[in-house]
Amino acid sequence: GPKVLQIPSHQIIDMGQMVTLNCDPVSNHLYFYWYKQILGQQMEFLVNFYNGKVMEKSKLFKDQFSVERPDGSYFTLKIQPTALEDSAVYFCASSFTGGYAEQFFGPGTRLTVL
Amino acid sequence: SQWGEENLQALSIQEGEDVTMNCSYKTYTTVVHWYRQDSGRGPALIILIRSNEREKRSGRLRATLDTSSQSSSLSITAAQCEDTAVYFCATDRASSSFSKLVFGQGTSLSVVP
Repeated sequence: GPKVLQIPSHQIIDMGQMVTLNCDPVSNHLYFYWYKQILGQQMEFLVNFYNGKVMEKSKLFKDQFSVERPDGSYFTLKIQPTALEDSAVYFCASSFTGGYAEQFFGPGTRLTVL
Repeated sequence: SQWGEENLQALSIQEGEDVTMNCSYKTYTTVVHWYRQDSGRGPALIILIRSNEREKRSGRLRATLDTSSQSSSLSITAAQCEDTAVYFCATDRASSSFSKLVFGQGTSLSVVP
């Protein structure tokens, strides 16, 4: 089936540094998402993105977070600066249509902030 | 059963048994997604059930949806070892045509020989 790729699979950084998580969504998909999952907890919505804009973000999407998809390349999540509580697995997802659509998830990037 | 504030549930059954996982959700929805997540991988959709479908089947899987009680269930018939995974229900809090999945805590299912 359609695949979403995420790079890197694991990232370890020091608190205060900047990190960029990369997502290669399904090629013809138009809607993109980031979710955060802390170990042992449920996955939580961070943001959705369409036509170059953030459509909705949750309270977890702090001011230090930003997303973009320049020129149809990777869909990225940037955290600057990082904090200890940002340690989690971040999942990217994409869908062809908007509401109530099947979202295809990547394998996740495990972010460890020391 | 799954719900926002509950801890991850864990079930262990033997191969060949049937199992049902339950999910309750807080806010009215017209769609419930059931995802399966294998270790080290992202969630994969296994059944999507809408409010006009009280029941939906896919192979050995059967999902139900009761919007009046805001609950859904996922049943697996004759479970096999490869069914071992974490199963999540998710509601779609779509607004203005933009999706936003809200996941339950998940049920960790272990099927042993």
